[in-house]
Amino acid sequence: EAGVTQFPSHSVIEKGQTVTLRCDPISGHDNLYWYRRVMGKEIKFLLHFVKESKQDESGMPNNRFLAERTGGTYSTLKVQPAELEDSGVYFCASSPASFPYEQYFGPGTRLTVT
Amino acid sequence: ELKVEQNPLFLSMQEGKNYTIYCNYSTTSDRLYWYRQDPGKSLESLFVLLSNGAVKQEGRLMASLDTKARLSTLHITAAVHDLSATYFCALVVLSGAGSYQLTFGKGTKLSVIP
Repeated sequence: EAGVTQFPSHSVIEKGQTVTLRCDPISGHDNLYWYRRVMGKEIKFLLHFVKESKQDESGMPNNRFLAERTGGTYSTLKVQPAELEDSGVYFCASSPASFPYEQYFGPGTRLTVT
Repeated sequence: ELKVEQNPLFLSMQEGKNYTIYCNYSTTSDRLYWYRQDPGKSLESLFVLLSNGAVKQEGRLMASLDTKARLSTLHITAAVHDLSATYFCALVVLSGAGSYQLTFGKGTKLSVIP
């Protein structure tokens, strides 16, 4: 069974540009999560989808971030326009259902904004 | 707000030695995870601890949970180079929006020196 995949693995963009990150969850997993780790800090929750609906987006930093999950399959996280403080590693995780199911993580996308 | 403090953040140890990583947290949680991350790879779940006094062991790693002290430990016995990685503790938290999300410590970067 394929794990959670993320694309791209690395992205380097200039301040003010737009970047879209993609996450493909494990097949059949209705729950999809985005997390972010800024250098030297904790991994922090961004948002949670159940199928195509946003269950919780309380961790989204501001309105420059837009997450979608069309059809309840893959998800995209768009940053527009990117700022320097958006640099970090963006992780996606999926689970078959919510608690108490374990979340399975992808390898992350390292975003560098210059 | 739940706070998770992990220490040490960096640990350099010789092969064959023992050491302990500590994870303190500020409020109650239903479960605690320990993850391992190798550079550029996914977070791999090592242990899930559910109740007070829980102890789990896998190879040279042993995790324990003391819910009264709000403390979990990850003990490394007779370290080998293959254990070099970053280790995270994370707690499951129910958000105000009804989403079970993970709250992470900052991670402990372990380097085992031959």
